[in-house]
Amino acid sequence: QITLKESAPTLVKPTQTLTLTCTFSGFSVSTSGVGVGWIRQPPGKALEWLALIYWDDDKRYSPSLKSRLTITKDTSKNQVVLTMTNMDPVDTATYYCAPVGVYDPTGDWFDPWGQGTLVTVSS
Amino acid sequence: EIVMTQSPATLSVSPGERATLSCRASQSVSSNLAWYQQKLGQAPRLLIYGTSTRAAGIPARFSGSGSGTEFTLTISSLQSEDFAIYYCQQYNNGYTFGPGTKLEIK
Repeated sequence: QITLKESAPTLVKPTQTLTLTCTFSGFSVSTSGVGVGWIRQPPGKALEWLALIYWDDDKRYSPSLKSRLTITKDTSKNQVVLTMTNMDPVDTATYYCAPVGVYDPTGDWFDPWGQGTLVTVSS
Repeated sequence: EIVMTQSPATLSVSPGERATLSCRASQSVSSNLAWYQQKLGQAPRLLIYGTSTRAAGIPARFSGSGSGTEFTLTISSLQSEDFAIYYCQQYNNGYTFGPGTKLEIK
């Protein structure tokens, strides 16, 4: 069974750096074709893809947020970490992590998803 | 960046009826299109990948079709648990989600 859980501070101040951790079980991010991505959702709004890291350390970023994001993985801990710098109130959202390629390495759909963690940006 | 649009924004359908949701890409995404269902307060759940392949455990009343830039999710006979928000996502070039279609009870 594959499970993922996101962890992060619930409240961050503007200009601070947010560190999000995805801890997972049931698969390995060192397996060929596997990646782990981050997606966020502001309250009442749509999903927005942020970043993804593959088994071979290939990293992909949303073009609009690339300058603020860094994604890394720790295979031994089964964790993927995303840092987002210079946080702003508009970054208030539920942040989800989800893998690609765990059931089928031929395509990058996200399945399954973690429960998400709500991060509020406010002074 | 590929932009995804979905229509309608809100769809009102009675239980037992058919629902047809549309998704359009700003450029071809081949068949690299997925659909997700999100219920209030829950994480999204994968329904369809590769345009038309149902994910594990997804009922046969859900079907996907299309290619290139035009895609459709059809729910053949709506059940009460199907009323939710549906998102399409392309993974042909980067990863982009559509704005969603809210399926509500008529």
